[in-house]
Amino acid sequence: AQSVTQLDSQVPVFEEAPVELRCNYSSSVSVYLFWYVQYPNQGLQLLLKYLSGSTLVKGINGFEAEFNKSQTSFHLRKPSVHISDTAEYFCAVSDWRGGADGLTFGKGTHLIIQP
Amino acid sequence: DADVTQTPRNRITKTGKRIMLECSQTKGHDRMYWYRQDPGLGLRLIYYSFDVKDINKGEISDGYSVSRQAQAKFSLSLESAIPNQTALYFCATSVGAGGGTDTQYFGPGTRLTVL
Repeated sequence: AQSVTQLDSQVPVFEEAPVELRCNYSSSVSVYLFWYVQYPNQGLQLLLKYLSGSTLVKGINGFEAEFNKSQTSFHLRKPSVHISDTAEYFCAVSDWRGGADGLTFGKGTHLIIQP
Repeated sequence: DADVTQTPRNRITKTGKRIMLECSQTKGHDRMYWYRQDPGLGLRLIYYSFDVKDINKGEISDGYSVSRQAQAKFSLSLESAIPNQTALYFCATSVGAGGGTDTQYFGPGTRLTVL
């Protein structure tokens, strides 16, 4: 079985400051990792995903994440946040078996940008 | 126009009533999913469908049923609604490339309140 832990339920950050949202996973097999974002009153959309290759993955809106196999982590970062980044961020994991039951979401981190 | 649409967007109903939530997509994807989102719990999978003839239970299917009327339509029913089914419901689609690498595309959600 696989699981995802998002260590912070809420992260307040001042505008233009850097941010890191933490995600750890557990799985007995090789995994694929995703970050989704949910803006207020909207559905989720993909920020970025790691499938293979370079462990540093760049996504939309200036976000990036680094896959660290030894620490089983996939932390999301942005060097300078904007008010428009206020949203809920979900880390998710799947594995080679595919299928809907292979995708597990974390509980989410609410990023709050303070002016 | 949105690629994944959900109707209704908001619904208030009473305990014991039958409710149907509808999802339509214009992305031409084979796979469709229903999730529910509860505060602090992230997304949990209710049902998923790989094609019109292939429907599968997810993590929390009890109290729900689904119908895949066509490739583009996937409906979720609550046969006899109860208050703890109050939640935000999302439909999602994916192309079905398999192997756990798919990006899922989400609708805007239906906020259901059961009194």
